Amino acid sequence: QVQLQESGPRLVKPSQTLSLTCTVSGGSLSSIYYWSWIRQPAGKGLEWIGRIYTSGSTNYNPSLKSRVTISVDTSKNQFSLRLSSVTAADTAVYYCARVYVGGWYETFDNWGQGTLVTVSS
Amino acid sequence: QSVLTQPPSASGTPGQRVTISCSGSSSNIGSKTVSWYQQVPGTGPKLLIYTDNERPSGVPDRFSGSKSGTSASLVISGLQSEDEADYYCAAWDDSLNGWVFGGGTKLTVL
Repeated sequence: QVQLQESGPRLVKPSQTLSLTCTVSGGSLSSIYYWSWIRQPAGKGLEWIGRIYTSGSTNYNPSLKSRVTISVDTSKNQFSLRLSSVTAADTAVYYCARVYVGGWYETFDNWGQGTLVTVSS
Repeated sequence: QSVLTQPPSASGTPGQRVTISCSGSSSNIGSKTVSWYQQVPGTGPKLLIYTDNERPSGVPDRFSGSKSGTSASLVISGLQSEDEADYYCAAWDDSLNGWVFGGGTKLTVL
């Protein structure tokens, strides 16, 4: 059974860059999937941040696009998130997730447990 | 303000049937498949329904999904106490070129 695990600093100072890594175990970063980051501020709903294919091709949420970079390292079975110029509004639980790509559909079929990142001085 | 609209709360007693709605537009639900997720507080979301009405293996058949036009629904039949959780709908949006989620519905089992 594939497992996803987020890791990275839990506290980031305002204006700095948030960096997280998702390690995928029990499976490989196959081309039938792509890989996403989603976040959830406390007491609020889910917000999609962006996605990356194993080829390196990316798409980002337009509202975050200027500050987000997602990268993949297939040799380490990892993909990463960088969010620059953070403010308190970026404080949230950050999830990494796998998206299954079917012939005519896609779905988030596996999620990490999430990691709380707090932006504070 | 979420792109997909869900009621913030729903409730029912054990054994009852509960329906949670998800309203969108032609650029998301109207043209793409809908997934539903269950989130128990403190844990990551779990896939409940994909392609509008399919259940992954291991998800009880008490959970079912449907879609009509630009709206989708999640139905939980024979409500159980362990169903108390937050539920989210999601779909790809062609206009935004990204995934959109509902704001979530908190289900309380009375």
